[in-house]
Amino acid sequence: AQKVTQAQTEISVVEKEDVTLDCVYETRDTTYYLFWYKQPPSGELVFLIRRNSFDEQNEISGRYSWNFQKSTSSFNFTITASQVVDSAVYFCALSEARASDSGYALNFGKGTSLLVTP
Amino acid sequence: GAGVSQSPRYKVAKRGQDVALRCDPISGHVSLFWYQQALGQGPEFLTYFQNEAQLDKSGLPSDRFFAERPEGSVSTLKIQRTQQEDSAVYLCASSFRAYNEQFFGPGTRLTVL
Repeated sequence: AQKVTQAQTEISVVEKEDVTLDCVYETRDTTYYLFWYKQPPSGELVFLIRRNSFDEQNEISGRYSWNFQKSTSSFNFTITASQVVDSAVYFCALSEARASDSGYALNFGKGTSLLVTP
Repeated sequence: GAGVSQSPRYKVAKRGQDVALRCDPISGHVSLFWYQQALGQGPEFLTYFQNEAQLDKSGLPSDRFFAERPEGSVSTLKIQRTQQEDSAVYLCASSFRAYNEQFFGPGTRLTVL
């Protein structure tokens, strides 16, 4: 079963629009970590954020913000005033404490492809 | 270098050939991971090393896949008798400790003809 669901396959917005990328996860662990990565056309995965399950505070970093809600098992990512350079595939990922023997390996969603047009 | 490096970046193999993919992690990173990314999909876990010890190889799709990290630094993923279904991007990642964020290399795109 998919542990991380990114229901939006593709999103297209016009520059300066705000856009939210959804992520829903599934786990029975009380200790877990959530991540967002960006994969631009060049292909290299770029780390954006890591959150542990005990910290539900929302986080803002420049134009990026993240909303973590344990009650709905969601970890959504919002880009404010989007720019063309934001065009990429964005992946949400989960690592679980039960997977400590596997080094807390990441379970990735299928990704959301974001296209920002001028 | 500052980041994770992988070589070669691209590899074309004929079906049945053996291939070796190399990963240089960030210096000082204890944990090293290999992932496989099929076209249009998210990466999938293959195997994990803590220093030189391979602690989990549950994601390796068959016994044709073999990974090593003999000195706890550079790692090699070897695929024997390649098949067309092995075509994918192979990503290497490292982290300081297992539960920290993982930093990824640029990947090796393997095409098996």
